[in-house]
Amino acid sequence: EPEVTQTPSHQVTQMGQEVILRCVPISNHLYFYWYRQILGQKVEFLVSFYNNEISEKSEIFDDQFSVERPDGSNFTLKIRSTKLEDSAMYFCASTRQGGVNEQFFGPGTRLTVL
Amino acid sequence: QKEVEQDPGPLSVPEGAIVSLNCTYSNSAFQYFMWYRQYSRKGPELLMYTYSSGNKEDGRFTAQVDKSSKYISLFIRDSQPSDSATYLCAMNILTGGGNKLTFGTGTQLKVEL
Repeated sequence: EPEVTQTPSHQVTQMGQEVILRCVPISNHLYFYWYRQILGQKVEFLVSFYNNEISEKSEIFDDQFSVERPDGSNFTLKIRSTKLEDSAMYFCASTRQGGVNEQFFGPGTRLTVL
Repeated sequence: QKEVEQDPGPLSVPEGAIVSLNCTYSNSAFQYFMWYRQYSRKGPELLMYTYSSGNKEDGRFTAQVDKSSKYISLFIRDSQPSDSATYLCAMNILTGGGNKLTFGTGTQLKVEL
């Protein structure tokens, strides 16, 4: 069964460093998402991406964040200068098309900023 | 007022019990309502989604939506230890493109032998 994969599973970084979180969505999916979940809090939407551009972003997704689909398979989230409050689980998700379609989530990357 | 409210639990029930999980929401524009299950250290997995008010059944799971009260429920019949997980309600508004999900905080469920 196809699945969304994410690497690394756990990333530890120093405050102020840049991190890139990587996702491989399901191969025939066209819409891609990043969500985050701070420990003990709800899953929060960050950004959606379609046709090589951002289709929607939340207030959390400020200038420190960027997304990219560098090739036909990967989808990345870059945090330019990490802050302590960026520590969270980051989930990638994808759907085959827009509208109401199941968003398939990856297992997440746990980001720890020291 | 939070957009989506969900009791975080934990909720502990004996095996075989009927479990009721609930969410309330404030935004009347929400159109689609989903229940996700999340095991520890895993991503959310979709269990069910519904559009209109009423009930939808899938095996041991029944999703219920009451748009007039802005209240949704998930019922689990004959609960099993393998149902132990965090259950997240989620909802969205259908737009032209990708559709962000707005989640509740999740209810942690433990089904005991």
